[in-house]
Amino acid sequence: KNQVEQSPQSLIILEGKNCTLQCNYTVSPFSNLRWYKQDTGRGPVSLTIMTFSENTKSNGRYTATLDADTKQSSLHITASQLSDSASYICVVSDRGSTLGRLYFGRGTQLTVWP
Amino acid sequence: NAGVTQTPKFRILKIGQSMTLQCAQDMNHNYMYWYRQDPGMGLKLIYYSVGAGITDKGEVPNGYNVSRSTTEDFPLRLELAAPSQTSVYFCASVGASGQNTEAFFGQGTRLTVV
Repeated sequence: KNQVEQSPQSLIILEGKNCTLQCNYTVSPFSNLRWYKQDTGRGPVSLTIMTFSENTKSNGRYTATLDADTKQSSLHITASQLSDSASYICVVSDRGSTLGRLYFGRGTQLTVWP
Repeated sequence: NAGVTQTPKFRILKIGQSMTLQCAQDMNHNYMYWYRQDPGMGLKLIYYSVGAGITDKGEVPNGYNVSRSTTEDFPLRLELAAPSQTSVYFCASVGASGQNTEAFFGQGTRLTVV
């Protein structure tokens, strides 16, 4: 069964600190992995997208890694800001069809305190 | 550049009522999706479309219907609203160039069935 598991479920950190969020998946055959940021009451917004051959990608203070062998990904946030408080969702796409089904994790709820 | 537009943003329905959630995108994307997000859960696919005139069921299609008469619009229809359909609904679209392109999400429709 294709699944995406994220940990931790929630996380509280102080402003300026770093943190790492984890994503494990069983989606097969694998096409790509996306990290999204979802602010409360808003739709998800893309942070990064990585294919099988990529093992790291950065977007400002966000750095995602991918280990396709172990089927694990992480999202590292550097020098956190209050505006980073949001849910971070890992999304994995398969390539079993031309559509590329998207499988969503439940998200990690990050709270940044001043 | 509007991206993906969903209307309405909020709606309260009585059990048994019907309504249509609207979704429009102006990026000429072929692929469009409807998801629902329940509290603390990941997004679950309701229906999707690979192009005008073509739709198919996702994971949780019961109680919903869709149509895709144009590339731009992908409305979701609830015929007999039930309390179990209380959720936040997101529409998304992906470009025609393949599975590794970005997925854009609407801002969501928060539906309550009482």
